[in-house]
Amino acid sequence: EDQVTQSPEALRLQEGESSSLNCSYTVSGLRGLFWYRQDPGKGPEFLFTLYSAGEEKEKERLKATLTKKESFLHITAPKPEDSATYLCAVQERGSSASKIIFGSGTRLSIRP
Amino acid sequence: GAVVSQHPSRVICKSGTSVKIECRSLDFQATTMFWYRQFPKQSLMLMATSNEGSKATYEQGVEKDKFLINHASLTLSTLTVTSAHPEDSSFYICSAASGAYNEQFFGPGTRLTVL
Repeated sequence: EDQVTQSPEALRLQEGESSSLNCSYTVSGLRGLFWYRQDPGKGPEFLFTLYSAGEEKEKERLKATLTKKESFLHITAPKPEDSATYLCAVQERGSSASKIIFGSGTRLSIRP
Repeated sequence: GAVVSQHPSRVICKSGTSVKIECRSLDFQATTMFWYRQFPKQSLMLMATSNEGSKATYEQGVEKDKFLINHASLTLSTLTVTSAHPEDSSFYICSAASGAYNEQFFGPGTRLTVL
């Protein structure tokens, strides 16, 4: 059965304190892995798509990396406005109509 | 690009009434739209997948007669919660995908409260 596991469940950091969020996945064949950011009471905001092991993508203070079993979202020198829930999702090769499976998310809180 | 809107953003209704939620892709044609619900501090749970012009595919455990989905055009899908009850209170989020994008783009969500 396809699974997506994110850790930690919650993470509190001081402003400027870099860290990484983990997303472990089990699918028979990966078509794509996605990272989203979700603020309270809002829909998820798309961040990155990764397709193959070794791929990296960056956006401001965020960098996403991918291996054959997991993905990391690295956050460098975070600011309070980076506080949100970060969701990882995977799409299986051959899955119909772009269907994706979400992890349970990591709630990130950055203290000023 | 890739903007998805939802309407209404918040709705409060009495038990037994029906509520319709609209999802629109504003700047691209969405061949597929998805409907999710999300409970507090939980992740998104896929309810159904709809392709333009065809019947929706519902996930296991989701009642198709209770959650009616229509995807009549490439830019509009609707979710109707029929005979709503308090346990249907939740945050409903739609997303849209097209052949041009592998990603799903999400709407801002609709908070449904059934009294």
